[in-house]
Amino acid sequence: QKEVEQDPGPLSVPEGAIVSLNCTYSNSAFQYFMWYRQYSRKGPELLMYTYSSGNKEDGRFTAQVDKSSKYISLFIRDSQPSDSATYLCAMSATQGAQKLVFGQGTRLTINP
Amino acid sequence: DGGITQSPKYLFRKEGQNVTLSCEQNLNHDAMYWYRQDPGQGLRLIYYSQIVNDFQKGDIAEGYSVSREKKESFPLTVTSAQKNPTAFYLCASSSPVLFRAAGANVLTFGAGSRLTVL
Repeated sequence: QKEVEQDPGPLSVPEGAIVSLNCTYSNSAFQYFMWYRQYSRKGPELLMYTYSSGNKEDGRFTAQVDKSSKYISLFIRDSQPSDSATYLCAMSATQGAQKLVFGQGTRLTINP
Repeated sequence: DGGITQSPKYLFRKEGQNVTLSCEQNLNHDAMYWYRQDPGQGLRLIYYSQIVNDFQKGDIAEGYSVSREKKESFPLTVTSAQKNPTAFYLCASSSPVLFRAAGANVLTFGAGSRLTVL
């Protein structure tokens, strides 16, 4: 069993829809949670991060962590074609980036 | 503009050959990393270096080698011992200052190098 599981998709939704991207994990020591966005043929870029449980909002994006269920989510409201990318969750137990564990990535397409 | 430059963008290799992927950063970051990305696998850590002249193996170091002679540079050599080298290779960097400011594991990635073994 992988430490972090993420549905690889692909996920295709119409423009303006609310998108929910999810990851589950097995290591209860994880407490730093991140979402990276990766456009085709590019490197990932950090989109959002949260520490421990709770919600964090940034514009159209909301990151949610439920440590009791070992489940994290990224919600995208009013989705745009420019949101079409692969979204990777990442997490670690410590603050050091060398211990990051990534999910497989979900490929998302927003259709105009 | 500060960033990470990876070269070459595309590389073809015959079986049995060693190849070296370049990674240069001008962000003044202390730590540098090499990840491998395969479809359906996510990113897997090959090697990382926190300071010059020091580096540690990641989860899939077999068949790879690195050096860190300068703070700005962290080249990755894919040796002939790597059984399945065809993949997308990503270099990243980070700084403890960024960690403290952001409270999170902030990695800055390069655009990647795609290696294909013929």
